Amino acid sequence: LAKTTQPISMDSYEGQEVNITCSHNNIATNDYITWYQQFPSQGPRFIIQGYKTKVTNEVASLFIPADRKSSTLSLPRVSLSDTAVYYCLVEDDKIIFGKGTRLHILP
Amino acid sequence: NAGVTQTPKFRVLKTGQSMTLLCAQDMNHEYMYWYRQDPGMGLRLIHYSVGEGTTAKGEVPDGYNVSRLKKQNFLLGLESAAPSQTSVYFCASSYAPYEQYFGPGTRLTVT
Repeated sequence: LAKTTQPISMDSYEGQEVNITCSHNNIATNDYITWYQQFPSQGPRFIIQGYKTKVTNEVASLFIPADRKSSTLSLPRVSLSDTAVYYCLVEDDKIIFGKGTRLHILP
Repeated sequence: NAGVTQTPKFRVLKTGQSMTLLCAQDMNHEYMYWYRQDPGMGLRLIHYSVGEGTTAKGEVPDGYNVSRLKKQNFLLGLESAAPSQTSVYFCASSYAPYEQYFGPGTRLTVT
């Protein structure tokens, strides 16, 4: 069972780049790494997914080192609306969301 | 497309009552999931389905039953509600076991 560990909370300021790191030491060969965002009173929303190296979309970048034991979600130039909880998942046969990282963006 | 919809949005039950939560998706997804989220906590998987007519247990299945008679619908049943089942319930669907699309949630209170 690939368990993930991420910081409980983070603060940042508008316009800065935010990096949230997730560790997953027991990740299996076939597992993908997926990040979700959740606003209060809403269901989570898929942000990005990757297997290795770097993945980028219009919302974020995902950096995965060669050993795949960790991953970093990078949010460029955050705004107040990026205040949310961010979940890192390793998609094996057990889907475990964990408590996520509460990101608070300050003006 | 409506995406993933959940019915009802809110419900109050008394201990021992039963109810069914309905999840519907119009994306032709094979996989569907039911989660619960307690205040300040992450989501916990209750049951899931990998296709029409199939169901499987997740992390916290006790006290719940599910059925997937049609591909687009996934029902979550509580046969005898308990206060410990007070939570927000989210349904999700996906094409493969990645990139899940979530519904708006059902807020259930059991008194």
